[in-house]
Amino acid sequence: DQQVKQNSPSLSVQEGRISILNCDYTNSMFDYFLWYKKYPAEGPTFLISISSIKDKNEDGRFTVFLNKSAKHLSLHIVPSQPGDSAVYFCAATFNTNAGKSTFGDGTTLTVKP
Amino acid sequence: DADVTQTPRNRITKTGKRIMLECSQTKGHDRMYWYRQDPGLGLRLIYYSFDVKDINKGEISDGYSVSRQAQAKFSLSLESAIPNQTALYFCATSDRGVGNQPQHFGDGTRLSIL
Repeated sequence: DQQVKQNSPSLSVQEGRISILNCDYTNSMFDYFLWYKKYPAEGPTFLISISSIKDKNEDGRFTVFLNKSAKHLSLHIVPSQPGDSAVYFCAATFNTNAGKSTFGDGTTLTVKP
Repeated sequence: DADVTQTPRNRITKTGKRIMLECSQTKGHDRMYWYRQDPGLGLRLIYYSFDVKDINKGEISDGYSVSRQAQAKFSLSLESAIPNQTALYFCATSDRGVGNQPQHFGDGTRLSIL
């Protein structure tokens, strides 16, 4: 049973517009959610996180929203830039065994100039 | 220099061979992880170690073993490689703390087993 799901394998947006990447989870006990970005031939890099007690976290162009009742989170990128083109992974963790994350399958974002 | 270094970056080998993938880090983190990624899928945890004397199985540990030789080194072995172990392998580290500690990944080892 996949506990973290990213149902959209790919997303294409125009430069300057908003990108919205979605993630659903099944385990209501997760304490933190993290987003990672991955370029080809590189490892994933951390982007932004949110605690389960928050509903929004913002860092520059990146904002993550958490809807606990729906077990859903989303990453908003505004404005989108061509350099944002990458695979984005959603991950979830517990405070115990901290750092041991469960990952979604990723969404490939393409930002067109 | 990279904080998390994986060697080799690419490896092609034959079924039945023993393979070792190595990971070293300069971040000073206690926690280290090995993941595999298959095409179109996310990262699945193979083994993790929270300190030198602590080794734990992840969700897909069968067919793999690990060794934590030092705080900075964590190696993954395939004792007798089989074709369905062909995948992209990532090593990661994280600091102590609560669940929001991000993981820091190496650039991966692409392993092909013929």
